[in-house]
Amino acid sequence: QSILTQPPSVSAAPGQRVTISCSGSYSNIGNNYVSWYQQLPRTAPKLLIYDSNKRPSGIPDRFSGSKSGTSATLGITGLQTGDGAGYYCATWDNSLSSVIFGGGTNLTVL
Amino acid sequence: QVQLQESGPGLVKPSETLSLTCTVSGGSISIYLWNWIRQPPGKGLEWIGSIDNSGSTNYNPSLKSRVTMSLDTSKRQFSLRLNSVTTADTAMYYCVRAIPHFESRFDYWGQGILVTVSS
Repeated sequence: QSILTQPPSVSAAPGQRVTISCSGSYSNIGNNYVSWYQQLPRTAPKLLIYDSNKRPSGIPDRFSGSKSGTSATLGITGLQTGDGAGYYCATWDNSLSSVIFGGGTNLTVL
Repeated sequence: QVQLQESGPGLVKPSETLSLTCTVSGGSISIYLWNWIRQPPGKGLEWIGSIDNSGSTNYNPSLKSRVTMSLDTSKRQFSLRLNSVTTADTAMYYCVRAIPHFESRFDYWGQGILVTVSS
């Protein structure tokens, strides 16, 4: 049971928009930046979003991040079949003094 | 171009010690946080711990009693030791770079090494 709660799976059609939520608490998301990672099958995760809403160089602007209170959201527009992957949120937890990850969301692009 | 490469045995017996090394090429080894993250087959990501250039460590509380990390800047390597392993420690182990003061911002990952705990 992860401290950060993500939906296990989401699906949408190519070209559509999807959002993935990450719910936490005051001791983690409420007081720290959130990062998001994309993990394609059989590959290492890749940083998609950092500081809750910033994109590293090379990440298309179809990917966006936001944070409000104790929740964060990853948005993906103009879905492509290649976006089908696992997505994980992560942040620091002040009470645990530890990095924590969400349980992950599997995105299916139908 | 920053690259990280894990190395170590792919098979460890129960109750023994898992030892992995990560070799870093490119970039500075002195100004970042160096991490181990693992992923059991078919499951999610779990942060194991981090070490900085002063040797200061931070470990996941759930693993703290069994984990030791070290850093050798002259060899551009950092290491993980996890003792008293069980089958629950079977996982893909990734070595990962993070930005200081932004502990969950993991910008470079190794390809991962699968470690199986089995007799």
